[in-house]
Amino acid sequence: GQNIDQPTEMTATEGAIVQINCTYQTSGFNGLFWYQQHAGEAPTFLSYNVLDGLEEKGRFSSFLSRSKGYSYLLLKELQMKDSASYLCAVRGDTGFQKLVFGTGTRLLVSP
Amino acid sequence: DTAVSQTPKYLVTQMGNDKSIKCEQNLGHDTMYWYKQDSKKFLKIMFSYNNKELIINETVPNRFSPKSPDKAHLNLHINSLELGDSAVYFCASVGRGQETQYFGPGTRLLVL
Repeated sequence: GQNIDQPTEMTATEGAIVQINCTYQTSGFNGLFWYQQHAGEAPTFLSYNVLDGLEEKGRFSSFLSRSKGYSYLLLKELQMKDSASYLCAVRGDTGFQKLVFGTGTRLLVSP
Repeated sequence: DTAVSQTPKYLVTQMGNDKSIKCEQNLGHDTMYWYKQDSKKFLKIMFSYNNKELIINETVPNRFSPKSPDKAHLNLHINSLELGDSAVYFCASVGRGQETQYFGPGTRLLVL
């Protein structure tokens, strides 16, 4: 089976750093993705990890530990526009990019 | 300019009706998807086509029938709509050997 867990909601202050965790148990693993989804909009790609370690992209970083079935998304220097849902998704070992999404973490950034 | 487009954006209909949603991508991608996002914002894959061939078919009622007339288009027909079909339906696509799935703007379906 597939199980992907994220906190439902988080709050943080503008300028701060927030870490959104994701744990997964899946029947296969071929990469972990983070997507951002603003209310009423489509998900947009943020990051991809397939090997252990940290991937940094501007204010956003994503970390993966395959042995622990664990990832986190780190957002630095938070801005109001970062208020959104953050979706963790795992690609199993099938050949055609099947993503299984977690329930998403709604992040609210306050002034 | 739009990479992945869907029509209609909003769809309000009565229970028991049949409706279709259309998706087109101009990215030259080979693989396209339909996802359903329910009221709790849980995004779940329904179907995937690769070059007009069905490759992923999750446990979806057979009232839902996808059709891919060519690799740039993926449509979704829903028969005998039920209240529980109310959701946002997203189309997505990805290129061969690429990682990023690009999502369309979504179709908000409300069944009354």
